[in-house]
Amino acid sequence: SQQGEEDPQALSIQEGENATMNCSYKTSINNLQWYRQNSGRGLVHLILIRSNEREKHSGRLRVTLDTSKKSSSLLITASRAADTASYFCATDSSYYTGANSKLTFGKGITLSVRP
Amino acid sequence: EPEVTQTPSHQVTQMGQEVILRCVPISNHLYFYWYRQILGQKVEFLVSFYNNEISEKSEIFDDQFSVERPDGSNFTLKIRSTKLEDSAMYFCASSEEWGANIQYFGAGTRLSVL
Repeated sequence: SQQGEEDPQALSIQEGENATMNCSYKTSINNLQWYRQNSGRGLVHLILIRSNEREKHSGRLRVTLDTSKKSSSLLITASRAADTASYFCATDSSYYTGANSKLTFGKGITLSVRP
Repeated sequence: EPEVTQTPSHQVTQMGQEVILRCVPISNHLYFYWYRQILGQKVEFLVSFYNNEISEKSEIFDDQFSVERPDGSNFTLKIRSTKLEDSAMYFCASSEEWGANIQYFGAGTRLSVL
């Protein structure tokens, strides 16, 4: 089993529509983060949600976290062509595993927003 | 806005050669990381570093890898004898605090081992 599994693997929507991406994980976490990666580029941090939070907003982004189901969702509202990228969830289990802070990434979701 | 910078953006090397990938973390950050992403695969943790020593390393980070903070600003990843399978994008990241904190990533160095 793998920590941080996103679905769907690929999503294609029309500009203006909402995009919902899901992430599931296996172990207890301290926080969950979403990152964006444009093709061939670095990782850009989008939003962090802590294990004691259920929902968080940042601009057009809304993240939810359900620790009982070990899942998170990222909603991008009113999508734009510039939102086309790969999106990754990453979990930080540092408080629980006794390990030092490291992020465990999922495989990512490829989002295509058609103009 | 402060950012993590990595050099070079692309490094081509012959198998068996040593490479050093360089990173300048955000200036007030204390925790540093290296990750790698083989083409089409997940981003994988390699190593974390704090107070001039390795805090944790993954199974990938074997004896061929080493990290160093040679001065107050640079953080380097050295691969002693590169293999074909070391070809990947290598990302440096830094954070202010341990755990529950955002890690800021550089744009990455693409390493191509021929």
